[in-house]
Formats: sequence, C-alpha cells, structure tokens
Amino acid sequence: AQSVTQPDIHITVSEGASLELRCNYSYGATPYLFWYVQSPGQGLQLLLKYFSGDTLVQGIKGFEAEFKRSQSSFNLRKPSVHWSDAAEYFCAVGGGSQGNLIFGKGTKLSVKP
Amino acid sequence: KAGVTQTPRYLIKTRGQQVTLSCSPISGHRSVSWYQQTPGQGLQFLFEYFSETQRNKGNFPGRFSGRQFSNSRSEMNVSTLELGDSALYLCASSSGGGSGNQPQHFGDGTRLSIL
Repeated sequence: AQSVTQPDIHITVSEGASLELRCNYSYGATPYLFWYVQSPGQGLQLLLKYFSGDTLVQGIKGFEAEFKRSQSSFNLRKPSVHWSDAAEYFCAVGGGSQGNLIFGKGTKLSVKP
Repeated sequence: KAGVTQTPRYLIKTRGQQVTLSCSPISGHRSVSWYQQTPGQGLQFLFEYFSETQRNKGNFPGRFSGRQFSNSRSEMNVSTLELGDSALYLCASSSGGGSGNQPQHFGDGTRLSIL
C-alpha cells in the first residue's frame, strides 16, 4: 500500500538558517509527489510538485525539493528560513489506488528569532 | 481567479444531528475531493467527485456522503454525528482527477465541533 512518512514531528530552526524537511514514500510505480504548507486555521497551500523529469524542483516562497528514487525520498529544502515560514508542512503522494492524495502526518516548523 | 470556497467556516453540532458542508471549486475545475483532518489521524481521504459522479471513496462509514452539482459545486453530509467526527473538513479541487496526478487546490476548511 502507498504511504508517506515524515520522520520529524516538530523542527525548530533559527531565522536565516537553512532548512530540510524529510519525506519518504512507499509507492509501486513512478510517484507524483507534492509538498503542501498549512498555516494555523487555514487550508493547505501547494508549495511544489514533482511528476517527472528534473529531480530538483523549484516551488514558491523559495522552497525546493529533490526526488531521489534510490532512497524513496522527496525532501524539502530552503536555504534561509524566514519567520513567516513557521507552519506545518505536509508531504503527499498521488496516484494511489483510489486516485487520491496520501499525506504524511506533517512536520511542524517553528522559527526562532 | 477565486480560490476554493468552503462554507461555513465553523459549525457546532450535538451528537445525533446531521450536517451539510459546502464547497465551491475553482472555476473550471471539475474534480472535488474531501478530506478529514484530525490531530490523531492526520489528513484522510473521504471521497472524490468528478462530473457529478463519485469516482473514488475512502474508508469512512456510510454516514459520510456527498454529491456534486452540474456547476461542480459539492456538498458533504454527515448524519448521526458522533464526537469523533469533530475535525477540520477540507475540500480540494483540481482540473482533472482520479489518478492523483493533478495538483489539488484546497479551501480553508470547515471546522466542525461536536458537543
């Protein structure tokens, strides 16, 4: 069965520091991969997606993610974190048997001033 | 372009009642999916509608149902509410659908609280 694992429940970084959020997936075929961000009281906003091609994808707000098939990973990165990046981040894989998105449990990001 | 609109934003109900939530997708989007978000279970897929037909369904009891209208607007109904139904219900729309290969755009959700 398809699944997504985000090993880190909560991460705290200092403003201006680099960030990497981990995501591992289990999927039998070529996955469609997504990262979403959710601010408190709001819905999910799409940061970036990977369907095929270049394994390094650029997204909005200065985020990027790298698809590594050999490691079944799709980690999210940002070179310099801003206080406004504090939110919860969800990795998701598409193309499931039911045609829906399968989400990880999320990683909550806190940013220290 | 207007985003996905969900109404109402907040609802308080008591056990045994029923509730209807509404979702208006992005103009031109024909696929609407519903998700339940809780602290314990995370984001779970409820069902997806495409062109007024339920195409996919998650593992939820029959108390959870939905429909889609010809203008692609969708409603979700939960009957005989239980305390465990307290959650944020998110609606997402996409231009395609069914294979999870289209980005889904989410509304801000309806926060349902059961007393």
